[in-house]
Amino acid sequence: DTGVSQDPRHKITKRGQNVTFRCDPISEHNRLYWYRQTLGQGPEFLTYFQNEAQLEKSRLLSDRFSAERPKGSFSTLEIQRTEQGDSAMYLCASGQGGNQPQHFGDGTRLSIL
Amino acid sequence: AQSVTQPDIHITVSEGASLELRCNYSYGATPYLFWYVQSPGQGLQLLLKYFSGDTLVQGIKGFEAEFKRSQSSFNLRKPSVHWSDAAEYFCVHNAGNMLTFGGGTRLMVKP
Repeated sequence: DTGVSQDPRHKITKRGQNVTFRCDPISEHNRLYWYRQTLGQGPEFLTYFQNEAQLEKSRLLSDRFSAERPKGSFSTLEIQRTEQGDSAMYLCASGQGGNQPQHFGDGTRLSIL
Repeated sequence: AQSVTQPDIHITVSEGASLELRCNYSYGATPYLFWYVQSPGQGLQLLLKYFSGDTLVQGIKGFEAEFKRSQSSFNLRKPSVHWSDAAEYFCVHNAGNMLTFGGGTRLMVKP
């Protein structure tokens, strides 16, 4: 068990650019979750996958955001035409669903110039 | 609205002193509750979990939490705080498909 891995750890980009983050979950976990955490706040749910199916999306996930998990293993989160308000820590978690805990990666910190 | 509330944004305790971090929830049925800890620039680590049964649950690093239905609370405690406990602590409700986080309590430890 190598834990949840996220790449990159930090991303600095100019407003209007597209960015993509990757998450590799714990291999035996069928669920993968994305959260966003802004400074001084708790994480907020964005979306989750069961295997390759995206089953739920938060209203926070605007049309500029898209997440995929093509083979039910790793996932990518893409933000198009980034805005200042997108600056945050993006956290990925994996788990087995139900009442089981989620295991978090160290996150990707996005800074928009 | 269903929510998790952590009334204390910051708490400072002396090393070796006892600690209690407060959490209140507003869910009707027996909630699934967790406490997570987040060190600066890091992800979240699970400290303990409550599903049902015994109302006092033990976790890692010497932490425990008590579920009190009558008070809608799930407070986190530790009898003796170490400097390495300085971090942000989150009380979390598990709705099955997503986690709902409280606003967090930042713990500072004085030498």
